[in-house]
Amino acid sequence: DAKTTQPTSMDCAEGRAANLPCNHSTISGNEYVYWYRQIHSQGPQYIIHGLKNNETNEMASLIITEDRKSSTLILPHATLRDTAVYYCIVRVAWDNYGQNFVFGPGTRLSVLP
Amino acid sequence: NAGVTQTPKFRILKIGQSMTLQCTQDMNHNYMYWYRQDPGMGLKLIYYSVGAGITDKGEVPNGYNVSRSTTEDFPLRLELAAPSQTSVYFCASSHEGQGDEQYFGPGTRLTVT
Repeated sequence: DAKTTQPTSMDCAEGRAANLPCNHSTISGNEYVYWYRQIHSQGPQYIIHGLKNNETNEMASLIITEDRKSSTLILPHATLRDTAVYYCIVRVAWDNYGQNFVFGPGTRLSVLP
Repeated sequence: NAGVTQTPKFRILKIGQSMTLQCTQDMNHNYMYWYRQDPGMGLKLIYYSVGAGITDKGEVPNGYNVSRSTTEDFPLRLELAAPSQTSVYFCASSHEGQGDEQYFGPGTRLTVT
């Protein structure tokens, strides 16, 4: 299983872009990179995912390096409501059944006024 | 759609008691999951199901049982509660296929004393 490494915590000023890095140096060719976040005491919320191309949706952008060993989640204009724990996950398939999402400790992002 | 719902929100159990955590989804998703989250930690997969009648163990299945008699419901059973099972439990579902996002319920906070 590919493991991910994220900083324990980060701060970002409100209105500025938040760039959250993730290292996944042992990722294999068929593994996706997912990002979820968890706002205090709530269930995790899906943000974005990608395989090798950069992706963008209404919430964020995902930049994956060409060698796929690292990625960056970008929240373009962070608000106070973006304060949460952000999880970078590399998905492993179990015999083509189900999806084993391994949630590590994540990065605690604090958006400051 | 209500999405993924869980009951109860909170529960206190005595050691040795049993209980069932309920999870229901109304999105007609094939895949359903149970995770637990200990304080300050990431999520760990307990059990998952790829469809009605099919369940399988995750990373930490000991002390738990599940069933999946319908597409909508995926209850988690604790037979002999232990203090080590004090945790927040999240149920999730996904449609199917690779790259599919998981939708999480609001969680059940369980304390065993």
